[in-house]
Amino acid sequence: NAGVTQTPKFRVLKTGQSMTLLCAQDMNHEYMYWYRQDPGMGLRLIHYSVGEGTTAKGEVPDGYNVSRLKKQNFLLGLESAAPSQTSVYFCATGTSSHNEQFFGPGTRLTVL
Amino acid sequence: GENVEQHPSTLSVQEGDSAVIKCTYSDSASNYFPWYKQELGKGPQLIIDIRSNVGEKKDQRIAVTLNKTAKHFSLHITETQPEDSAVYFCAALAGTALIFGKGTTLSVSS
Repeated sequence: NAGVTQTPKFRVLKTGQSMTLLCAQDMNHEYMYWYRQDPGMGLRLIHYSVGEGTTAKGEVPDGYNVSRLKKQNFLLGLESAAPSQTSVYFCATGTSSHNEQFFGPGTRLTVL
Repeated sequence: GENVEQHPSTLSVQEGDSAVIKCTYSDSASNYFPWYKQELGKGPQLIIDIRSNVGEKKDQRIAVTLNKTAKHFSLHITETQPEDSAVYFCAALAGTALIFGKGTTLSVSS
């Protein structure tokens, strides 16, 4: 089992470009999350999903969109990238909000 | 909304010493408090968690205590080893989402 995978691992964008980050899981978990991690800021929740076809905003949703068309995939989109979105992005999954979250290996995004 | 404060931001100990990391939270309705360990270049991994109906939980060298009245919880690592060196995050459940502290970088020197 692969667990939680993220694609791509690294990406460099120019300001204004768009991209989509893919999170895939084979754990059959209902809950999926997208976080960003910045130095000295910890992990901040961007968007999350409690099941296929559902999404909700987290702490820092502005500039991002998400979709959960299939239970096993959670996509994070940047429509017009800005340098402030330079960060490491982590996807996580879980069976419920009160249980362990399983994190992917992360995607390092640089916006020039 | 929920706010989680974590201290200290860095902690250096000698191998074999104990390490304590403290967190406070603001939302009295929070009822689930996990601790995650993140090694360099990897995603965070759960090491222990505690729910609000319990005051203390232990797992080998790791323990967590919770004081609901004071709204703070702490991670205790005894007999530290070099492989304990990592960044540790506390978190509190606010509704359906975790709010994380800013992290503590623990360095264990041999």
